[in-house]
Amino acid sequence: DIQMTQSPSSLSASVGDRVTITCRASQDISNYLAWFQQKPGKAPKSLIYAASSLQSGVPSEFSGSGSGTDFTLTISSLQPEDFATYYCQQYSSYPFTFGQGTKLEI
Amino acid sequence: EVQLVESGGGLVKRGGSLTLSCAASGFTFSLYSMHWVRQAPGKGLECVSSISSSSNYIYYADSVKGRFTVSRDNARNSLYLQMNSLRTEDTAVYYCARLIQAAGTDDYWGQGTLVTVSS
Repeated sequence: DIQMTQSPSSLSASVGDRVTITCRASQDISNYLAWFQQKPGKAPKSLIYAASSLQSGVPSEFSGSGSGTDFTLTISSLQPEDFATYYCQQYSSYPFTFGQGTKLEI
Repeated sequence: EVQLVESGGGLVKRGGSLTLSCAASGFTFSLYSMHWVRQAPGKGLECVSSISSSSNYIYYADSVKGRFTVSRDNARNSLYLQMNSLRTEDTAVYYCARLIQAAGTDDYWGQGTLVTVSS
C-alpha cells in the first residue's frame, strides 16, 4: 500500500496568514493526488484534484502543487472559514490512501 | 444531482453484526468503483473497503479483513457493508464515497452513518 505522510499534524495561524501543508507519498503517484477540507461533523470536501486543479467553487486562495512523491497545499491568505482539518489522498493505485490530517487552528 | 445516502448504523454490542447500506442516485452507479471510508472519534480518515464497478476487485483494510464484507447491487444502485464480529475500535462514522479516479475530477460523499460498538 502507498503510505501518505502529511506535515505538520497541526498548525496555528492567524487570519491573513499564508500557510503551506505538505504531503509525501511512499512511492511515485504522478499527479494522482487530491486535497480535502473537513469541518467538525461534516463529510470531507474536495478542494484540489490532480495535484493542482481547483475544484469548482473552491476559492482561489487555495492552490496545490507537486508531482511524483512530494506535494503541497497552500492557502495564500487565511480566512476565518478556512480553519479546519486538511487531508491529502492518493488515487494512483488501490487501495486509495489518506494522509493522517493537518489540523489548522487559530 | 449526485446523492449518496447511508443507512444502517447504530449501537451494537461487541461481537455483534450490522449491515450498512448506501443508496446512490444521480450518476451511472455501475460505472464507478465505490468505497467505505470511516472516521473514528477524533481520528483521521481510513478507507476500510473498496469495490470495483463490476465487483471483480475488492479491497479490505487489514483492520477489518475477515470480518467485513463489501458488496454492491448495480441494478439497485446500492452499496453494502456487512460488518461481523464488531470490536469497540470499529466505532466510527462510516462514509460511502465515490472517490476521484484517474482522469476523473469529481468525488462524492454521503453524510455518514455512526456505528457505535459497546463493550
